[in-house]
Amino acid sequence: GNSVTQMEGPVTLSEEAFLTINCTYTATGYPSLFWYVQYPGEGLQLLLKATKADDKGSNKGFEATYRKETTSFHLEKGSVQVSDSAVYFCARPFYNQGGKLIFGQGTELSVKP
Amino acid sequence: DTGVSQDPRHKITKRGQNVTFRCDPISEHNRLYWYRQTLGQGPEFLTYFQNEAQLEKSRLLSDRFSAERPKGSFSTLEIQRTEQGDSAMYLCASSPSQPSQAHPTSYNEQFFGPGTRLTVL
Repeated sequence: GNSVTQMEGPVTLSEEAFLTINCTYTATGYPSLFWYVQYPGEGLQLLLKATKADDKGSNKGFEATYRKETTSFHLEKGSVQVSDSAVYFCARPFYNQGGKLIFGQGTELSVKP
Repeated sequence: DTGVSQDPRHKITKRGQNVTFRCDPISEHNRLYWYRQTLGQGPEFLTYFQNEAQLEKSRLLSDRFSAERPKGSFSTLEIQRTEQGDSAMYLCASSPSQPSQAHPTSYNEQFFGPGTRLTVL
């Protein structure tokens, strides 16, 4: 099938720790891949994206590389801050269905000072 | 650019009542999407519009749910005879379907509103 699977949370880290949130996808081709972030009480915001295989998306110190060999798009950050505490969602679109997004279940990150 | 707005932000209703939510997309976006998000889960697609035409509906959208986008701008989502299982966050998103000067690379990206949290008692 076509789906997105994320590492389960919650994840609790100390400030300045290294972050990895795993995401794998299934697809018949190579769709764009996205990471969205949802801060407490807010809507989803696009964090970063990659539009083709081997692309690296980056924003606000976060990075994710589109790896077709492992069908993965893991999110990483070298040094997290308390302000990064949020829920992170991996997602992919279905272009033949108007670009609707299929999301992973989300990973809650809590960063302690 | 004021972003996607949704109204109300919160709605508490009794089981069996009807509720209606509104979404105002980014003005030049011709695609509009509705999603539902329950606690601890990712958003699930409900339906989408291209201009005023509703082109795709999820099986999640039972016959108690109806969505409209009469002039291709704002959209409404109505739930009739609400049930406790309808309690969720309802998210609206919009996107352009083609590149433009304003969005040369971000077409097909979806911009989300803050959501309407529905609680059915």
